[in-house]
Amino acid sequence: EAGVTQFPSHSVIEKGQTVTLRCDPISGHDNLYWYRRVMGKEIKFLLHFVKESKQDESGMPNNRFLAERTGGTYSTLKVQPAELEDSGVYFCASSQDNIWTGGDYGYTFGSGTRLTVV
Amino acid sequence: GENVEQHPSTLSVQEGDSAVIKCTYSDSASNYFPWYKQELGKGSQLIIDIRSNVGEKKDQRIAVTLNKTAKHFSLHITETQPEDSAVYFCAASRLDTGRRALTFGSGTRLQVQP
Repeated sequence: EAGVTQFPSHSVIEKGQTVTLRCDPISGHDNLYWYRRVMGKEIKFLLHFVKESKQDESGMPNNRFLAERTGGTYSTLKVQPAELEDSGVYFCASSQDNIWTGGDYGYTFGSGTRLTVV
Repeated sequence: GENVEQHPSTLSVQEGDSAVIKCTYSDSASNYFPWYKQELGKGSQLIIDIRSNVGEKKDQRIAVTLNKTAKHFSLHITETQPEDSAVYFCAASRLDTGRRALTFGSGTRLQVQP
């Protein structure tokens, strides 16, 4: 089974430019999450999709960040325009809750995209 | 909101020794506590989790304990091996709401010396 795939693995852009990160979840996983770790601090939640719908976007820092998940498959996270403080590692994760059998709530994380804004 | 603190930030042990990583959380309503292992260049992998209705869970050399009263939980790795070297993250969440957001600790870099 393929894991969660993120690309690019690294991105270096100038302040003011636009960057789009992509995440391909595990096939069949309805839940997709974006997290980020900035400046070596804690990993912080950004948002949660259930299929194509935004279930929770309480962690999105500001309107320069736009996440989409068209068709409920892969997701993109666009930063426009990028600022220096956006530098960090952006993680995507997916999960397939199984409420009825009390199944695995655990996420599978991708390896992350390291974004550097200069 | 929830706040999770994790200690120590780095931990070095000799192969075969035990390692313990501790986390505290602030929201008494949190009821799900997973632990993730992140190896260099790889995604974080869930290694064990515990729900608030149990106090301890074991899986081979790995165990997690939870003290709801004190609001802390710990990861125990016994008979450590070099391949256990990685960064470990604890997290807390609530499963009784529609939210699935995890609040993470700051991570512990474990180094197992052969």
